[in-house]
Amino acid sequence: DAKTTQPPSMDCAEGRAANLPCNHSTISGNEYVYWYRQIHSQGPQYIIHGLKNNETNEMASLIITEDRKSSTLILPHATLRDTAVYYCIVRDLSSGSARQLTFGSGTQLTVLP
Amino acid sequence: DAGITQSPRHKVTETGTPVTLRCHQTENHRYMYWYRQDPGHGLRLIHYSYGVKDTDKGEVSDGYSVSRSKTEDFLLTLESATSSQTSVYFCAISDSLLDEQFFGPGTRLTVL
Repeated sequence: DAKTTQPPSMDCAEGRAANLPCNHSTISGNEYVYWYRQIHSQGPQYIIHGLKNNETNEMASLIITEDRKSSTLILPHATLRDTAVYYCIVRDLSSGSARQLTFGSGTQLTVLP
Repeated sequence: DAGITQSPRHKVTETGTPVTLRCHQTENHRYMYWYRQDPGHGLRLIHYSYGVKDTDKGEVSDGYSVSRSKTEDFLLTLESATSSQTSVYFCAISDSLLDEQFFGPGTRLTVL
């Protein structure tokens, strides 16, 4: 699976949009981009995933560049409860390793009041 | 949140003792997973199950065994706990192998 690069930390003001970048320059055509987050002392939580097109759900939006080498997770109106470590993962759903989620170091997002 | 519970939530045990962690789901998902999470290592897959009595090894399976006698329960056993198995253990479930995984609240295990 392709490796990902994320900034180690980011701050965001409460009520503003949080834009979390992820670089996955070696991504292959079969690999999806997934985002999870982990609030302190809790289990990881699925947020969103996509292949090529931008995706939106009730939690967030995922913007994937046309060349697919990077993506941005957008939390449109961040709240204090969105403070967490956010993980960007690429998964090749056609490979045997797809069963395992491999988390990197992620981005610690701190939402400030 | 997906209906996943883990028990116990915290456990302290001594080296050499057997330990069993339980994961229980109410979602009727086919796949269940056990991960451990350690600083500097991220999340690592221990074992997973793709049905009742069907299990397979993950990345770090040595020293662990699992059993799944019912769809809703997936047990992780440390036959003889070692200090290197001190960790936070997460159970996860998914409807298919390729679907998103939903995680339980975790079990913090300390082996003295």
